[in-house]
Amino acid sequence: NAGVTQTPKFQVLKTGQSMTLQCAQDMNHNSMYWYRQDPGMGLRLIYYSASEGTTDKGEVPNGYNVSRLNKREFSLRLESAAPSQTSVYFCASSEGLSGANVLTFGAGSRLTVL
Amino acid sequence: GEDVEQSLFLSVREGDSSVINCTYTDSSSTYLYWYKQEPGAGLQLLTYIFSNMDMKQDQRLTVLLNKKDKHLSLRIADTQTGDSAIYFCAELYNFNKFYFGSGTKLNVKP
Repeated sequence: NAGVTQTPKFQVLKTGQSMTLQCAQDMNHNSMYWYRQDPGMGLRLIYYSASEGTTDKGEVPNGYNVSRLNKREFSLRLESAAPSQTSVYFCASSEGLSGANVLTFGAGSRLTVL
Repeated sequence: GEDVEQSLFLSVREGDSSVINCTYTDSSSTYLYWYKQEPGAGLQLLTYIFSNMDMKQDQRLTVLLNKKDKHLSLRIADTQTGDSAIYFCAELYNFNKFYFGSGTKLNVKP
């Protein structure tokens, strides 16, 4: 009963390097999300995917790309990392249907860009 | 539906009640949520309330919703040291967009 699994848990990058954060859910959820968490700013939505085959920008999409590989997996890519992207990243999923639509979160990925 | 505001800190003594407040701006939000985040972990759902309800009680947790004032509160009765965490309120907008507040860090003193 894994829920939402994110990898890696920790990563240190140099400015300009690229990397991909991986996320997978095993709850057959339709919608998946990427958030970043910064001190005093709560969670801000980067991108989301309402259903397989669709992706949409959130509040802070600049500098990121996403891929909804299949219903289970939603990856977040940083093409050229910047120090402003130092943050904790959370992947989440929800059923994406009408109703309460509860979000289930992964444990987070802490990224430091030097 | 993007402005969700919370105070940043709350400190209470063990055994007291804690009240965490939240204001939101989007009157079309259908559901409002409270999530808890413990250090180094992801967010876990505590409870949620449908927008046409005024109150919801779940064991030690009571959620109050004042839709007219767009105010949501979470009361934790008999607060324990294990309740120390960051609490986020969130609103659901348009079925699948969630907006979160900045979080309230609850410190429970023994």
